Order: sequence, then C-alpha cells, then structure tokens
Amino acid sequence: GAVVSQHPSWVICKSGTSVKIECRSLDFQATTMFWYRQFPKQSLMLMATSNEGSKATYEQGVEKDKFLINHASLTLSTLTVTSAHPEDSSFYICSAKGTSGDTEAFFGQGTRLTVV
Amino acid sequence: AQRVTQPEKLLSVFKGAPVELKCNYSYSGSPELFWYVQYSRQRLQLLLRHISRESIKGFTADLNEGETSFHLKKPFAQEEDSAMYYCAHCGYNKLIFGAGTRLAVHP
Repeated sequence: GAVVSQHPSWVICKSGTSVKIECRSLDFQATTMFWYRQFPKQSLMLMATSNEGSKATYEQGVEKDKFLINHASLTLSTLTVTSAHPEDSSFYICSAKGTSGDTEAFFGQGTRLTVV
Repeated sequence: AQRVTQPEKLLSVFKGAPVELKCNYSYSGSPELFWYVQYSRQRLQLLLRHISRESIKGFTADLNEGETSFHLKKPFAQEEDSAMYYCAHCGYNKLIFGAGTRLAVHP
C-alpha cells in the first residue's frame, strides 16, 4: 500500500513555543489530507481536512489560529501548533487520500507532542 | 451530520469463537464505510471497505442500510486478531471515526 510519513514521531517543546508537524505522501500524490488528534485510549478526532492549494476546513471547536494547516503541494501538508500549552499535548495523526479517485485513506505513524 | 457509533469499548473472546464488532452510522446520503485496524504499536491500516465486498483475514462486513449498520464479523477468532478496530465513514469530504472497539482474543 501507499506510504504516509510523519515527522517528527515525538517532540517535546516548552510552553509558548510553536511546533511544526510534517505529513508526506511518499509514493503517491495526495489531494486530500486529514489531521486527527487522539487522546489516550480514545478515538481519532478529526481536526481539519485540507485540499492541496486551498484553505483547510476546520471542525467545529478547533481553533484555526492555534492549529495552522498548510497543504502547499500534493505530497506535503504541515500542522503547526502555535503557542503550545500543556493541554495541547496529544497524539497527532495525519491521513492522505490519493488523486486516483480511490477512497482509501493511508495513515501516518503519528506524532506524539508533549508540551512542558 | 454524519456519525459513527461503536457501542462496545472492549470485546473479549476465546480463540476459535465467533466475533462481531458492531458499527452503526448516521448519514443522509449513500454511505461509504470502512473498517480500520490498529495493531499494537502500529499505524492504522485499512481492513476492508463496504464497496469492495471482500473478505480480509477472514473478516467480512455487510452494509445494512435498513438498520444503518456495518458490523464486522469473523467466524473463528485468532489470537493475532487482537487489536483496536475502528469503523469509519467518509462523507462531505471528511473521514470520521467511531470510538473504536478493542478486540482481545484469549488462548
């Protein structure tokens, strides 16, 4: 299957700093990427959907200015957590769908963010 | 609004027993449903989707639009089936997940 890679896998940052998480589709072009947040022992909560070249669509309750999403190319989307606080500590997962019309979404390995 | 419901957090069975993981959805249009599996320390991966009507690793899932269900079944569970299973629906360009069910298969 297709490969989606997230970087970094784990990041610890100080409160008040910003953190950028990258999501890359390695062997296919992704027109749509999804960003999820997963708390311990809970399901994936959709944060936003991004389509290449256009602004991301955020879910209700997700702050656009807090979680900046950029999908500048068909192989890269980034999520920047701005002015991170301890409550932003979570597992962030991206998923990508290809251009072929196939509806299958492929998942990255996730990024564990710890804000201290 | 679309919604996916998995009522069971944990399903514990013995090896060789039948398994049914429940999933119900709400969506106004034609549903597009998936089952994803997450083994320990691994990323989510697609198990099966309703449009392909295939059987993967012995699992099947039939869409019942009358009951708005897409339950996942396997006649004889194996220990290696132990994992988190997520039912998901794609609609309005969003992929939404249910809460997940942990399947524990005991020897």
